[in-house]
Amino acid sequence: AQSVTQPDIHITVSEGASLELRCNYSYGATPYLFWYVQSPGQGLQLLLKYFSGDTLVQGIKGFEAEFKRSQSSFNLRKPSVHWSDAAEYFCAVGAGMGNTPLVFGKGTRLSVIA
Amino acid sequence: DAGVIQSPRHEVTEMGQEVTLRCKPISGHDYLFWYRQTMMRGLELLIYFNNNVPIDDSGMPEDRFSAKMPNASFSTLKIQPSEPRDSAVYFCASTLGFTDTQYFGPGTRLTVL
Repeated sequence: AQSVTQPDIHITVSEGASLELRCNYSYGATPYLFWYVQSPGQGLQLLLKYFSGDTLVQGIKGFEAEFKRSQSSFNLRKPSVHWSDAAEYFCAVGAGMGNTPLVFGKGTRLSVIA
Repeated sequence: DAGVIQSPRHEVTEMGQEVTLRCKPISGHDYLFWYRQTMMRGLELLIYFNNNVPIDDSGMPEDRFSAKMPNASFSTLKIQPSEPRDSAVYFCASTLGFTDTQYFGPGTRLTVL
């Protein structure tokens, strides 16, 4: 079965600074990878996803993520953070075959300071 | 598209009472998932359905929890009797195809006193 680890529970960045949120997964084959964002009191919203092809994936709100098979990682990046990006971010991994549902990481809470 | 709809958004009840949470998935989606989110355990998958049929309920914590999907546009998650440790945010999500993007509802915040 697949698993996913988000090593950082909480990250604080200054507005305008760059951001990288880490995600490491464990799965024997090529996984399906997702990043979701959850604002307070809201459900999870898809930021971007990787199924195959180009390993650099562009998403909404200026986010991007890069799939690195050799490192089993799918880190989320943004070049310049806005105060409205403060939220909880979840990485999820799905199996390409079989009926194993998505596995979500524990999440990383992002705080943005002026 | 209205997205995934959940009701109620907030529920406060007393221990021992029956609680029913409702979900309307996105029209045309064939998978429906129920999750529970807590600070301690994060996001946990409780059960999921395919074409209204329960496929995997191994995440349902106890027999007090049950879920149904009588048709393609409606699902319920019932807790009977409720306990304080059931307090959490419950999410419903739907997708077209098992491995595709899951679309989440806004959640139901349940508080059991």
